[in-house]
Amino acid sequence: QVTLRESGPALVKPTQTLTLTCTFSGFSLSTSGMCVSWIRQPPGKALEWLALIDWDDDKYYSTSLKTRLTISKDTSKNQVVLTMTNMDPVDTATYYCARSTIAVAHFDYWGQGTLVTVSS
Amino acid sequence: NFMLTQPHSVSESPGKTVTISCTRSSGSIASNYVQWYQQRPGSAPTTVIYEDNQRPSGVPDRFSGSIDSSSNSASLTISGLKTEDEADYYCQSYDSTLRVFGGGTKLTVL
Repeated sequence: QVTLRESGPALVKPTQTLTLTCTFSGFSLSTSGMCVSWIRQPPGKALEWLALIDWDDDKYYSTSLKTRLTISKDTSKNQVVLTMTNMDPVDTATYYCARSTIAVAHFDYWGQGTLVTVSS
Repeated sequence: NFMLTQPHSVSESPGKTVTISCTRSSGSIASNYVQWYQQRPGSAPTTVIYEDNQRPSGVPDRFSGSIDSSSNSASLTISGLKTEDEADYYCQSYDSTLRVFGGGTKLTVL
């Protein structure tokens, strides 16, 4: 059974760095073709893909946010970590992690999401 | 980079059929698979169509997907609409380095 769960602070202040952790089970990120992405959704707005890391430790980022994002993995812990620097109130959103494969980019399993509010 | 454009909202009556479009701004829609996700308020998205026209197990055959190279777009069609189909629907595709979501379509069944 595949599960993913996001964890991190519910509230961050402007200019701070956000660190989110995705802890997953039921698959291994060392399996060829496997990927984990971070996706966010501001309240009442659309989904936005942020970053992806694959089994081979290749990393891909949203063009508009790549200067602020870092994605990494700890295969032994079954975790993927996203950091986002210089947080702003417009970054207030529910942040999801989701599994996909490199072949067809279908997000077949999602976490329940974690709401991050940016406010002083 | 490319964008996926969806209508902001659609509405239809129960029992009818509705089609939601998703137009790719550059590059061929046929080059990379398109997925469709359903999202109800307060929940994570779930897949209703993957790889252009495949249904995950548990998704009724009232949901179907297609692509049209002439308009460079993908479509999600829901037939025999039920009130439970009322939700937001997102298309999604990719290229070699990016994953892209459409802006979402709010489906109202009334």
